[in-house]
Order: sequence, then structure tokens, then C-alpha cells
Amino acid sequence: SSELTQDPAVSVALGQTVRITCQGDSLRSYYASWYQQKPGQAPVLVIYGKNNRPSGIPDRFSGSSSGNTASLTITGAQAEDEADYYCNSRDSSGTVVFGGGTKLTVL
Amino acid sequence: QVQLVQSGAEVKKPGASVKVSCKVSGYTLTELSMHWVRQAPGKGLEWMGGFDPEDGETIYAQKFQGRVTMTEDTSTDTAYMELSSLRSEDTAVYYCATRVYCGGDCFDYWGQGTLVTVSS
Repeated sequence: SSELTQDPAVSVALGQTVRITCQGDSLRSYYASWYQQKPGQAPVLVIYGKNNRPSGIPDRFSGSSSGNTASLTITGAQAEDEADYYCNSRDSSGTVVFGGGTKLTVL
Repeated sequence: QVQLVQSGAEVKKPGASVKVSCKVSGYTLTELSMHWVRQAPGKGLEWMGGFDPEDGETIYAQKFQGRVTMTEDTSTDTAYMELSSLRSEDTAVYYCATRVYCGGDCFDYWGQGTLVTVSS
């Protein structure tokens, strides 16, 4: 089982704002990174560090953290944002771990 | 621009081993820390292991210790992941992944994935 916990599914109306969360004790010490994965494709990094976006990632994606919870926020969700989202960081032993993933549906 | 190109799909019988390759271009393998992540059908991402530059050694997830070996051929800039004693639960897409521009435990470049099917 993952030491990073995500809600299995979240939905958002087109154009609205959605927050996807990732909980884990290690997040008190380490930043989470966030990935978007569409069916049949490799994951794509969308947020890393405190709140950094790789080149080419729209600025509607943002990240934040408080206590043991990291959040990915999509402001003005688009149809193409419908995907699975995964967080990753380190676990209590210091090795890399992924959250269980959140399926985002854009209504 | 970094590219990671993986070897093709494999079908293996239970008990066998599989070796997946990941060819790097745009950078040399010695400049990167390569990791391996797998994804079973309909399931989430699972980190298997990777090179830790702080320790200078490859670290494996406890779940795979004793069954997985990650190696590198720097002469061809190719990384390898070998998984032995395969069982049906090892059926998954296996990805190599690395970080070039992002900092921390993030992976900004991924291979296209290699499907490994374990079936009798």
C-alpha cells in the first residue's frame, strides 16, 4: 500500500477550479511532484518542488502544500485535463513512492 | 532534448526473467539518474528503484529486492532493468524515467513504456 493517499476520483465542471490532494507524513519534509497520465500514454510531469511547472505546462496548473497534504489545483479546467493524476515524493524510509492516483473527470 | 527509447513488448512464462532496455539520447547516461516505474493494467504507478546520486548507488524498492537488477552500459548510454522469477502479477507496463531539469524526487522525462506479459 502507498504511503501517499489520494482520492480515487474527482470531478469538475468545465471551466471551474478543482483541487486534487495527496496526503502523507513524509510531505511534512519533502515536496510532492504531480503527474498527468492519459490512457495509453506515459506520465507527464506537471508540477514539482514548491510550485514549479515544466516548460509547456499551462499556468492553470499550480501546486501547494500545507502540513502533511500537497495539492494540485487546476484553475479553469479544460476538457483535455481529464486524466489520471499521481503525486510522488519520498516515504518514511526515504525511498521514492507514488500515490494511488486520482481519476479526474471534466463534466 | 532528452529522449528515452525502450525495448519492445515481451511475453514471458512464469518463473522466467525479463530484461528491458532504455536507450538515452540527448544526454549521456552518466549525467542522469535513471529510475524504473511500473504500472499493472488498470492500476497506479509503482516505483521499482533507481540510482541515488547522493549515495552513488542504486536503490531498490523493498518489494523487489532480490528479484530486480538495474544496470547501465555507459558505452551505449543504455540502462537495463532485469526482473526475475516472474509471476502473473508482474504483468505491467515498465517505464524508465529520469530527471533533467526538475529538482527533488521528480521525473520530467519518461520512456514510452514496455509491456511485459507473464502468462503460461
